[in-house]
Amino acid sequence: KNQVEQSPQSLIILEGKNCTLQCNYTVSPFSNLRWYKQDTGRGPVSLTIMTFSENTKSNGRYTATLDADTKQSSLHITASQLSDSASYICVVSVQDSNYQLIWGAGTKLIIKP
Amino acid sequence: DADVTQTPRNRITKTGKRIMLECSQTKGHDRMYWYRQDPGLGLQLIYYSFDVKDINKGEISDGYSVSRQAQAKFSLSLESAIPNQTALYFCATSALTGEQFFGPGTRLTVL
Repeated sequence: KNQVEQSPQSLIILEGKNCTLQCNYTVSPFSNLRWYKQDTGRGPVSLTIMTFSENTKSNGRYTATLDADTKQSSLHITASQLSDSASYICVVSVQDSNYQLIWGAGTKLIIKP
Repeated sequence: DADVTQTPRNRITKTGKRIMLECSQTKGHDRMYWYRQDPGLGLQLIYYSFDVKDINKGEISDGYSVSRQAQAKFSLSLESAIPNQTALYFCATSALTGEQFFGPGTRLTVL
C-alpha cells in the first residue's frame, strides 16, 4: 500500500534555531516528492520538488533532501522565523499515474519567540 | 486577485441539507481537484477533473458529487449532509502533473 509517514507529528523550537522534519514513503513507482507549507486554515503552498535523480533542493532557508534508496526525505529549516510556524506536508507522486498523490499527515511546527 | 477562489469560506448547515461548494480559477489550468482535510490527517482526494468532460472519483467520493461547469469552475455538492462531513474543503488546480495550487478553503460544519 502506498503510504507517506512524517515525523515528528509536532515540534516546538525557539526562533532562530534550526530544525529537520522527516518523511518516509512506501510509494511505487515513484515519480517525485514535494514539500508543501500549510499555514493554519489556508491551502498548502509548494516549497520544493525533487525527482528520483535529485538528492537536494533549496528554497531560501528551506533545504530538502531525498534518498531514493532508503525512500526517505527531510526538510531542513535554517534560522527559523516566527512566520515558519505552519504544517509541513510531504507529498509523493506515483509515476505513470495521472493524478495519484499520496499525502502525508504533516508536521505541525511552532516557532516560539 | 486570488488565482483560486472558493465560496463560501464558512458554512454551518444541518443534517440532511443539500450543500454546494464552488471553486473558480483564473490560472487557465485544465485540471481541478476537491480535497477534504480533517484535523490531524492528510488531505484526502474526493473528486478530480482533467477537463470539462472528464470527471473521476477520488478515494473518498461517497456522499459527494461534482460538476465541471467550465474550464474555470468546479463545484462540489453534498446531496444530504451528515455530521461526519464536517471538515475543511480545498479546491486545487494544476497543469498536467505539475504543482497544485490551492484555494483558501471552505470550513463546513454539519450539525
